[in-house]
Amino acid sequence: EIVMTQSPATLSVSPGERATLSCRASQSVSSNLAWYHHKPGQAPRLLIYGASTRATGVPARFSGSGSGTEFTLTISSLQSEDFAVYYCQQYNNWPLYTFGPGTKLEIK
Amino acid sequence: EVQLVESGGGLVQPGGSLRLSCAASGFNFRSYEMKWVRQAPGKGLEWVSHISGSGSTIYYADSVKGRFTISRDNGKNSLYLQMNSLRAEDTAVYYCARVGAPHDAFDLWGLGTMVTVSS
Repeated sequence: EIVMTQSPATLSVSPGERATLSCRASQSVSSNLAWYHHKPGQAPRLLIYGASTRATGVPARFSGSGSGTEFTLTISSLQSEDFAVYYCQQYNNWPLYTFGPGTKLEIK
Repeated sequence: EVQLVESGGGLVQPGGSLRLSCAASGFNFRSYEMKWVRQAPGKGLEWVSHISGSGSTIYYADSVKGRFTISRDNGKNSLYLQMNSLRAEDTAVYYCARVGAPHDAFDLWGLGTMVTVSS
């Protein structure tokens, strides 16, 4: 099983500022890495797939980078709706697609 | 509208059974692989089960193998999860999710249905 880790566990950022979230895989997942946004009581939402491709309708302030074992999600200018939990997920090891434990992005 | 809507959750005693349903609309359901994913209280997301578009290929996480059964009815645009021999550790919100194409990320999720296993 590929183990995903995320850092930090909680990130406090002010609206309008930049947020940088990290994700690491226990072994290479190539570029088969996705990022999701999740608020309590809502459906998780796919933001990024292929490590760097924005999903349909995702604003340009979201960008992903990395390959292999190290990945980053950057939100360039935080909006109120962006404060949520973010999960990374590898989909390289079919069908056991594992998620990271999440980073909670909270308002500073 | 393109959406997934789960139902069937509730409170069940340890050792009991539940059947979850996921109704799909707004897209060609039979063309997509589907997953069940769960989130225990205070925990992260955990993949539970996978089914191919035709229903011929099925996989389970080790934690539910032998107890849960995934199925689909493409004529009814519906996905199911039969859960037997339920344990306290199965308590979670259960989501159905669509596998995107050509990538394999989960590009559509439902709101989830809560399953509580407790005496």
